[in-house]
Amino acid sequence: EVQLVESGGGLVQPGGSLRLSCAASGFTVSGSYMSWVRQAPGKGLDWVSILYTTGTTYYTDSVKGRFTVSRDDSKNTLHLQMNSLRVEDTATYYCARGRDLYGDYPTWGQGTLVTVSS
Amino acid sequence: DIVMTQSPDSLALSLGERATINCRTGQSVLYRSSKKNYLAWYQQKPGQPPKLLLHWASTRESGVPDRFSGSGSGTDFTLTINNLQAEDVAVYYCQQYYTISRTFGQGTRVEIK
Repeated sequence: EVQLVESGGGLVQPGGSLRLSCAASGFTVSGSYMSWVRQAPGKGLDWVSILYTTGTTYYTDSVKGRFTVSRDDSKNTLHLQMNSLRVEDTATYYCARGRDLYGDYPTWGQGTLVTVSS
Repeated sequence: DIVMTQSPDSLALSLGERATINCRTGQSVLYRSSKKNYLAWYQQKPGQPPKLLLHWASTRESGVPDRFSGSGSGTDFTLTINNLQAEDVAVYYCQQYYTISRTFGQGTRVEIK
């Protein structure tokens, strides 16, 4: 069964850091186009980043230079390193598996909540 | 980034009625060589992640009831829910995957009157 399980969310102060993880099963992260999508409380979906099978990464403008997406092939896990966190980064973060290079997202994790507050 | 605009923001209908949700993209998401529209529709229920309903604007995912259908091309798309059921109460999002930065519409909330 194809499954994604996020972890690592929590409460962090503005300017702090947090590392999210997304453990995959039923497929290989290295062979997939993996993304992070976030959703602020009561708001809509906001695309954050994508990691291609080649290792190429792309980010939405608001997180460029602060967030880094990576993967650990030995653990079949996707990561999102978030630095210099801002109040506006508060959201539930979902990892999602893309259908292919230009694909939509058939598979989502349950999400992990990140709260940035003093 | 391609701006996605959904309408209406919310709608309340009676059981058995038809729900129509519109999505307009800031530029065409039709890839001419493949003649495919790079647009998807998702359903999100409270406390759950989004669930993919349709891709290529009108192709239903396995297991999605056939009362859900999609239409449109280029910049204007529609999600139709026929014979609205109680379990269809949710927020619906369109998403384009024509560009690397895959943007979403703001969502349309569907409720039962």
